[in-house]
Order: sequence, then structure tokens, then C-alpha cells
Amino acid sequence: KNQVEQSPQSLIILEGKNCTLQCNYTVSPFSNLRWYKQDTGRGPVSLTIMTFSENTKSNGRYTATLDADTKQSSLHITASQLSDSASYICVVSAGNQFYFGTGTSLTVIP
Amino acid sequence: NAGVTQTPKFRVLKTGQSMTLLCAQDMNHEYMYWYRQDPGMGLRLIHYSVGEGTTAKGEVPDGYNVSRLKKQNFLLGLESAAPSQTSVYFCASSYSGHSYEQYFGPGTRLTVT
Repeated sequence: KNQVEQSPQSLIILEGKNCTLQCNYTVSPFSNLRWYKQDTGRGPVSLTIMTFSENTKSNGRYTATLDADTKQSSLHITASQLSDSASYICVVSAGNQFYFGTGTSLTVIP
Repeated sequence: NAGVTQTPKFRVLKTGQSMTLLCAQDMNHEYMYWYRQDPGMGLRLIHYSVGEGTTAKGEVPDGYNVSRLKKQNFLLGLESAAPSQTSVYFCASSYSGHSYEQYFGPGTRLTVT
């Protein structure tokens, strides 16, 4: 069964600290993996898109990694800011199908 | 450049009523999508379109219909609303194929009583 699982479900960190969010998937055949940031009450915004051959991709303070062999991805946030408080969603696509994780809710506190 | 817009932002319906949600994009994108998002669940694809005049079913299409008469608009219809359709609905568009970045609208919060 094609599934995307994210951990942790929620996370609270102090402003300025780093954190890493995890995404494990069983989707096959793999097309690409995306990370989205969704602020409360808004639509998701794309952070990164990675294909099979890409191991790392950065977008400012956000760095995503992909291990296609173990079917794992991580999103690392460096020097967190209050504005990073949001839900982070991992999406794996297989052809014209999309499989969404339930997201990690991140809260950054001062 | 407004990106992806959705109308209305909020709506309350009674069971059995019908309504249409409108999605518009001004980026000349070929692909458009309708998703629903429910608490504790990931976004789920309802229907999508790969170009003007085309539509296709997604993961949860039952109870919904769509139309793409113009490239910039993608309409989602509920013919007879049910409480199970209470959700937040998101529209998205992408330049071309499914491997391209999707741009999401702000969402429509629908409550069916």
C-alpha cells in the first residue's frame, strides 16, 4: 500500500535552534518528493521538489535530503524563526498520483 | 499577478443543497487540481485537469463534479451536499505535468449541516 508517514506529529523548539523533520514512504514507482510549508489558514507553499537522482536540495534555511534506497527524506531547518511556525507536509508522487503525509506541526517559541 | 484565487472563502450549506466553488489562476498553467483537507488526514485529490476541456478523477471523486471550460478556471460542484463533505477545499495549478511545482490557493472552508 502506498503510504507517506511523517514524524514527529508535532514539535516545539526555541527560536534560533535547528530541527529535522522526517518523512518515510512506501510509494512506488517513485516520481518525485516535495516538501510544503502550510501556515494556519493558508494553502501549502512549495519548499523543495526532489527527483530520484537528487540527494540534497536547499531553499534558504531549509535543506531537504532524500535517500531513495531506504525511502526516507528529511527536512532540516536551520536557525529557526518565529515565522517557521507552520505545518510541514511531505508529498510523494507516482505518475499522476499524489500521496500526502499528514504533516508535522512545528511551533517556534521565543 | 494574483496567482491562484478561490471563491468563496467560507460557506455554510444545508444537507442536500448544491454549490459551486470557483478556482482561477492567472499564470497560464495547464494543470489544475482540487483537493480537500480534513483534520488528521493528508490532502486528498478530488479531481484534476490537464488542460482546457479535460477532467480526470482523483482519489476521492464521489459526490463532486468539475468543469474546465476555460484554461484559467476550474470549477468544483457539489450537487447534493452531505455532512461528510464538510472540509477545507484547496485548488492548485501547475505549469505542465505532475512533476512541476504546484501553486495552491488560499482555500475554501465549507460546512454542511
